[in-house]
Amino acid sequence: EDQVTQSPEALRLQEGESSSLNCSYTVSGLRGLFWYRQDPGKGPEFLFTLYSAGEEKEKERLKATLTKKESFLHITAPKPEDSATYLCAVLSYAGNMLTFGGGTRLMVKP
Amino acid sequence: DTGVSQNPRHKITKRGQNVTFRCDPISEHNRLYWYRQTLGQGPEFLTYFQNEAQLEKSRLLSDRFSAERPKGSFSTLEIQRTEQGDSAMYLCASSSSGEYYEQYFGPGTRLTVT
Repeated sequence: EDQVTQSPEALRLQEGESSSLNCSYTVSGLRGLFWYRQDPGKGPEFLFTLYSAGEEKEKERLKATLTKKESFLHITAPKPEDSATYLCAVLSYAGNMLTFGGGTRLMVKP
Repeated sequence: DTGVSQNPRHKITKRGQNVTFRCDPISEHNRLYWYRQTLGQGPEFLTYFQNEAQLEKSRLLSDRFSAERPKGSFSTLEIQRTEQGDSAMYLCASSSSGEYYEQYFGPGTRLTVT
């Protein structure tokens, strides 16, 4: 059974204070690892897909990396508008559904 | 086309009533998914359609839940004899069947069972 664990559950940062979110996974054949951003009361918003170990992707202040066991979402010089819950999910070759972690709630204070 | 849409956005119902939600996927996407999300948790898979065929269902999906996708376009999710434990956000997502597997989510339907 695919499993995804995200840490920390919550993270408070000052504006400009860089940090990383962790996503550890076990999966029977990784087809893709996905990062989403979710604002309160809204659906998840797609950020990145990573397909193989060593791959990296960037978007504005966010950078996602992937190893064979975990993925990191690095946030450089965050702003208050980056406050949200960040979700990690995996897709395996065994099916077509995403298996999500519990998310990291990020709060960036001005 | 601006993305996946879901209706209604909010639904309050009494225990024992039936409810139905609708999802309209991104027009060129032939794959459609339903997920359920409770407060503080990540979304949990419910069921998956490719065109009009329902190909996967979660083992956790109660027989009170049924989903359809007639003609491979919009989809409906019905919950019969609702229970308080059904209170959650119901999310719909869609994707293409090409090389990339990104699932794009709608805004969700918030169900409250009183």
